[in-house]
Amino acid sequence: EVQLVESGGGLAQPGGSLRLSCTASGFTFSTHGMNWVRQAPGKGLEWVAYSSSSSIYYADSVRGRFTISRDNAKNSLYLQMNSLRAEDTAVYYCARVGGGWLPLDYWGQGTLVTVSS
Amino acid sequence: DIVMTQTPLSSPVTLGQPASISCRSSQSLVHSDGNTYLSWLQQRPGQPPRLLIYKISNRFSGVPDRFSGSGAGTDFTLKISRVEAEDVGVYYCMQATQFPFTFGPGTKVDI
Repeated sequence: EVQLVESGGGLAQPGGSLRLSCTASGFTFSTHGMNWVRQAPGKGLEWVAYSSSSSIYYADSVRGRFTISRDNAKNSLYLQMNSLRAEDTAVYYCARVGGGWLPLDYWGQGTLVTVSS
Repeated sequence: DIVMTQTPLSSPVTLGQPASISCRSSQSLVHSDGNTYLSWLQQRPGQPPRLLIYKISNRFSGVPDRFSGSGAGTDFTLKISRVEAEDVGVYYCMQATQFPFTFGPGTKVDI
């Protein structure tokens, strides 16, 4: 069974940093692209970043401030978030790309990031 | 970036009756590999999103056959043949033909 479990959310001050983690199980993590997607309170979905063995992409809204990385030996995906802003407040989900380019086939439960002074 | 729009944004439905949601993209979603990476996701209240339909019309594992997708190019539709109580939630279309992935604004379906 595919499982994705996010952690690391919490309260951060504007200009501060947080590091999110997503631990995967139930599939061969190293062979799948992975994404971070966020959802501000009461709002829709916003794609944040993608990582595969060969490519990394970011949304314009986070490029230069956020860094996506992965440790295939630990079946883990990370999102280092720096220079946080109030508008980064959201639930952050990790989501997998399935085989044959099947985007966002499995999602974690999410972790809440709140940016406030 | 590809902009995704949806209509309606809110859809009151009657149990047992059909429902339909439209999605339009600002440019063709046909990939250079010939596939069209248009997906539909469902988000029930308090839950993470769940993939329903991928590549326009393919139901994901475990998705009931009352859900169907259709369309081509820039215009797509999600249909629920007979709405059940568990279908209440927000439905998003999403394109993964090119980065950045983009979502529609969501359509709230309630009874």
